[in-house]
Amino acid sequence: KQEVTQIPAALSVPEGENLVLNCSFTDSAIYNLQWFRQDPGKGLTSLLLIQSSQREQTSGRLNASLDKSSGRSTLYIAASQPGDSATYLCAVRGYALNFGKGTSLLVTP
Amino acid sequence: SAVISQKPSRDICQRGTSLTIQCQVDSQVTMMFWYRQQPGQSLTLIATANQGSEATYESGFVIDKFPISRPNLTFSTLTVSNMSPEDSSIYLCSTPGGPYNEQFFGPGTRLTVL
Repeated sequence: KQEVTQIPAALSVPEGENLVLNCSFTDSAIYNLQWFRQDPGKGLTSLLLIQSSQREQTSGRLNASLDKSSGRSTLYIAASQPGDSATYLCAVRGYALNFGKGTSLLVTP
Repeated sequence: SAVISQKPSRDICQRGTSLTIQCQVDSQVTMMFWYRQQPGQSLTLIATANQGSEATYESGFVIDKFPISRPNLTFSTLTVSNMSPEDSSIYLCSTPGGPYNEQFFGPGTRLTVL
């Protein structure tokens, strides 16, 4: 069974810092990996999708990398802003979509 | 990308009652999924809603507790039956879309059972 782990569970940084969120998974037989953002009490917003054949994807200040062989992905956020405060979820697609527990990010002004 | 809406957005219910959650997609989709997110936890897949046949439930979820309908390719409902406080969660509808099977989610239904 696919296990997805996200580290750290929570993170607090001052505005302007660059930061890295980590995601690891146990079964490398995946189709893709997706990063989501979830605001408190809300649904999920898709941030980036990386196909299993890709190494990274970029969207604005966000960059996600994938190392399928080692079962790892990172989400890099450049020049963080208070509006980035949310929970970030990593999800790995094999047969089904398996989620990590998320990293709760707080960016302070 | 698929645009997904859910009704209701939130509800507070008494134990022993049932609540039906609606999910509407703005285009025809083959697969629709229902997820649960318990407080402080990540998302867990409840079932896959199949058009024209019974839903496929994941381990730990049963049809009597979570009956699902899928009358057409744009709509599905999830009923949470005989509710208890342990059913307090956010329930999310989801569908894949685009050329790379990107997963899209509805805004969720926040359920509190007293």
